[in-house]
Amino acid sequence: NAGVTQTPKFRILKIGQSMTLQCTQDMNHNYMYWYRQDPGMGLKLIYYSVGAGITDKGEVPNGYNVSRSTTEDFPLRLELAAPSQTSVYFCASASGGLYNEQFFGPGTRLTVL
Amino acid sequence: AQTVTQSQPEMSVQEAETVTLSCTYDTSENNYYLFWYKQPPSRQMILVIRQEAYKQQNATENRFSVNFQKAAKSFSLKISDSQLGDTAMYFCAFKNSNSGYALNFGKGTSLLVTP
Repeated sequence: NAGVTQTPKFRILKIGQSMTLQCTQDMNHNYMYWYRQDPGMGLKLIYYSVGAGITDKGEVPNGYNVSRSTTEDFPLRLELAAPSQTSVYFCASASGGLYNEQFFGPGTRLTVL
Repeated sequence: AQTVTQSQPEMSVQEAETVTLSCTYDTSENNYYLFWYKQPPSRQMILVIRQEAYKQQNATENRFSVNFQKAAKSFSLKISDSQLGDTAMYFCAFKNSNSGYALNFGKGTSLLVTP
């Protein structure tokens, strides 16, 4: 049981490049989330999904896109990378509800130069 | 939108001592949960403790306990018998049914445990 896995762990992009951050969970969770963590800040919600085929915007969605074609996978797409997207990105999953814990992946450190 | 405020950017405590981390939040709702997460240098987010808003009894998990004051919207974390492995960033987080039960995080408190 691997939990939530993210690839890559580190990445450097040039301004204007695009990339996809991969996220996979093996706990059969319906709910999945993408957060970003800027230096000295808490995590902010980018996008979330409540099940396969359903996604919605969080607090900071500009410059990102997501898809959820399967229960297991929730990739985050960065189009036209900008320095403001330099951050650590966390994927998380949960079975939903107020009580249930969110399980986090190890994070991806992205630098845009 | 709910806001979570952690007013202590950094704290330090000696090994075996007790430390309290502060957190306040703002909401007009009655049904919600509060969490404390630990983020060690490895970056992994680890759940420390959770508290249901409807429960008056404060949650405890081994050396970790909370002081939940619902009327004051305060949710502090007490760490007893601090250990070197407790050195980490600690995030207070709020959850309600909005945004698919996503977490709203404070900015965090960096805790250093010294020998």
